[in-house]
Amino acid sequence: DSGVTQTPKHLITATGQRVTLRCSPRSGDLSVYWYQQSLDQGLQFLIQYYNGEERAKGNILERFSAQQFPDLHSELNLSSLELGDSALYFCASSPGTTGNQPQHFGDGTRLSIL
Amino acid sequence: AQSVAQPEDQVNVAEGNPLTVKCTYSVSGNPYLFWYVQYPNRGLQFLLKYITGDNLVKGSYGFEAEFNKSQTSFHLKKPSALVSDSALYFCAVRDGDSGGYQKVTFGTGTKLQVIP
Repeated sequence: DSGVTQTPKHLITATGQRVTLRCSPRSGDLSVYWYQQSLDQGLQFLIQYYNGEERAKGNILERFSAQQFPDLHSELNLSSLELGDSALYFCASSPGTTGNQPQHFGDGTRLSIL
Repeated sequence: AQSVAQPEDQVNVAEGNPLTVKCTYSVSGNPYLFWYVQYPNRGLQFLLKYITGDNLVKGSYGFEAEFNKSQTSFHLKKPSALVSDSALYFCAVRDGDSGGYQKVTFGTGTKLQVIP
């Protein structure tokens, strides 16, 4: 058990809809990372927050947004969903931002767009 | 810019034989290198890391990796493969000399199949 909790585990919705994915980091970790994993794109870094502040952005679409709350949990919001957004979305956490510490991953949210 | 390459999409090895999963990297400074494993329907799990020091790094489940600066490689190895090692393996790199925040870059993954 990594200590990172993601909800829901599965999400099925339709094109054009909006969903929110939730992540609770490992106790004591201040950094939260979001990744998208699809068969054709591999593991893509989306965004990172550290102690409530955005720290880095990767290949995140404008239709996607995220935030980290004072209790350190994070939410990833996906809007105007398209078929191509179907993927596994992972959250990871680490104690800081130095990059020499491993990230601990949740088991992901599988998003299916019909 | 930093990058990491896993040249093999899949590696097949017989149970009991040694295994190697290849990884090469490119960073402008000193690399921080990581290996992760992903089992079906699970998140990535940390196996081992190289930050500095001994070039041979030992990690979880009997895995080890050798850092080779001249070849810019960080291959994952295990002396004797188990069927339960069958999974997807990711190499990751970060430029350790970059100032401020620098994201970790993951490779595309290598599927390891251990054949009984």
